[in-house]
Amino acid sequence: DTAVSQTPKYLVTQMGNDKSIKCEQNLGHDTMYWYKQDSKKFLKIMFSYNNKELIINETVPNRFSPKSPDKAHLNLHINSLELGDSAVYFCASSPTSWGRAYYEQYFGPGTRLTVT
Amino acid sequence: GEDVEQSLFLSVREGDSSVINCTYTDSSSTYLYWYKQEPGAGLQLLTYIFSNMDMKQDQRLTVLLNKKDKHLSLRIADTQTGDSAIYFCAETELSGGYQKVTFGTGTKLQVIP
Repeated sequence: DTAVSQTPKYLVTQMGNDKSIKCEQNLGHDTMYWYKQDSKKFLKIMFSYNNKELIINETVPNRFSPKSPDKAHLNLHINSLELGDSAVYFCASSPTSWGRAYYEQYFGPGTRLTVT
Repeated sequence: GEDVEQSLFLSVREGDSSVINCTYTDSSSTYLYWYKQEPGAGLQLLTYIFSNMDMKQDQRLTVLLNKKDKHLSLRIADTQTGDSAIYFCAETELSGGYQKVTFGTGTKLQVIP
């Protein structure tokens, strides 16, 4: 059974369009994340939610809006897509992220977004 | 917790040892991690080390931690072609009580048969 799943796997769209990426985890985790990996493979956190509450919000254009309808789902909506948004977007989850304990993050397979 | 640095590329022959280095920035990191990313896939946790340890061994993997220099390394013994991947170190910091993980720049390991 897939632990963290994302749809779609590939997304090709034109500049100016609005698109969404969906993520679901069946691990019963409380915390979910969105990461962006650019063409040089640098991985940067964008957002993190704990039990549907936004806890990390990095310097990301407000064209990006995450939504967590329940703690098993974290979706990413992107308005007015730009060429620079082309990247691989990874969703991840962990049991929690409170405090200094050890937490493993489980990653989804990624969504490759290409903006033309 | 910005700019966790790694060398970008490492090439080794099958059967040799690989050593991947990482320089992190946050001295308060409680745990430091190594993740592996195979082509076309997400990251998977490989191993981790608690900050009060100097070394951790896990089968073919050895993690060394030098807190004074904020230097972390991952040694893979008897490197196999299946070890070819990108390896990310990661540090942690607290942000509003929640743990935020910052990944390194990634090291692409190429294993030559």
